[in-house]
Amino acid sequence: EAQVTQNPRYLITVTGKKLTVTCSQNMNHEYMSWYRQDPGLGLRQIYYSMNVEVTDKGDVPEGYKVSRKEKRNFPLILESPSPNQTSLYFCASSPSRDTVAKNIQYFGAGTRLSVL
Amino acid sequence: RKEVEQDPGPFNVPEGATVAFNCTYSNSASQSFFWYRQDCRKEPKLLMSVYSSGNEDGRFTAQLNRASQYISLLIRDSKLSDSATYLCVVNIRVGSGNTGKLIFGQGTTLQVKP
Repeated sequence: EAQVTQNPRYLITVTGKKLTVTCSQNMNHEYMSWYRQDPGLGLRQIYYSMNVEVTDKGDVPEGYKVSRKEKRNFPLILESPSPNQTSLYFCASSPSRDTVAKNIQYFGAGTRLSVL
Repeated sequence: RKEVEQDPGPFNVPEGATVAFNCTYSNSASQSFFWYRQDCRKEPKLLMSVYSSGNEDGRFTAQLNRASQYISLLIRDSKLSDSATYLCVVNIRVGSGNTGKLIFGQGTTLQVKP
């Protein structure tokens, strides 16, 4: 089954404790992206990747890191989480950069993160 | 001003009603437009694209007005299962080529009641 898989689905952590949210897709997609969703603000892009070893900042990259060492995986790293990073996070992928323009994006089920 | 604005609602309507959502966008470089549906605490899923000439998919009709920079979604004969948040999404061209960036509205919540 074609899918985007995020783990964990729920996470409660404390300020300053490094964490990684994994994202994996089995569709051989080139483009992958991370979003966060907050009440009243909609989805905002954190980072995106056009292909392996190619990553770029989105609108709200501060406090986050990503890596794209292989095509299927695009982990989101919070080196020192803070309470303002409490949010619902979504990973998404597309077959190629051109299809971002066509909006063919497949979303993972989401990760709900609480930073105390 | 937000790049994509929607009335957050909630819109509470009875079954069978017709309901319309509007969305405005501010970036004239916007090149493509979409409606996504998001159920409570779940991932967004593409509902339909929005074409300049308007398009219909069953009970759903989407329209685009480039001159006024707004998009609309019309739902006829509302069902209980239509209850969800509807996200207006705009793709903005970034640089040359076809590379785009998606901008999401905050969503409009619809609650269809029996």
